Amino acid sequence: GESVGLHLPTLSVQEGDNSIINCAYSNSASDYFIWYKQESGKGPQFIIDIRSNMDKRQGQRVTVLLNKTVKHLSLQIAATQPGDSAVYFCAEKNSGTYKYIFGTGTRLKVLA
Amino acid sequence: ETGVTQSPTHLIKTRGQQVTLRCSSQSGHNTVSWYQQALGQGPQFIFQYYREEENGRGNFPPRFSGLQFPNYSSELNVNALELDDSALYLCASSLEASGREQFFGPGTRLTVL
Repeated sequence: GESVGLHLPTLSVQEGDNSIINCAYSNSASDYFIWYKQESGKGPQFIIDIRSNMDKRQGQRVTVLLNKTVKHLSLQIAATQPGDSAVYFCAEKNSGTYKYIFGTGTRLKVLA
Repeated sequence: ETGVTQSPTHLIKTRGQQVTLRCSSQSGHNTVSWYQQALGQGPQFIFQYYREEENGRGNFPPRFSGLQFPNYSSELNVNALELDDSALYLCASSLEASGREQFFGPGTRLTVL
């Protein structure tokens, strides 16, 4: 069935290091992907998105990589800070539909 | 520009009761989607409302229903509450039904006893 999964449920990273959060998606028809950050007690916050016609997109301290061949998505956070501690979700969508499919999330813990 | 707001923030109900959750979309947005997020899980799509009409639905039973008003605010109603309905309920607004970027509210934490 439809699913968006993550390889690592918890990731611990030293402050200042780079973080890489991975996501596998199963729907080959998905052509739009988003990474969300969710802090405790808050709704998901948009971080960065990428369309399927791109392999890489960069934002401020974040980069998303898309590998359509193996249906894999990753979020790279440079110089991880304590404020980056949160649960990160990837979500996929087909542009012809209304529905986003979310993964189960990865908890990022930043160690001081 | 105001963000997405939801009320109440927390709610406790008992099995069999009914609940109504409310969402005000971001200014200028005509589409609201509702999600259920169980503890430790990703959000699961319930349904979407676009210009006061249900535009699509996920795998949720009919006891989950909704409304969207002319000002694009929305309600989620759940009848005959079950213990498994305990979750964080999120609404997200977007500029159009197929709009890519959704803006989420803080959610309503529902506990069913």
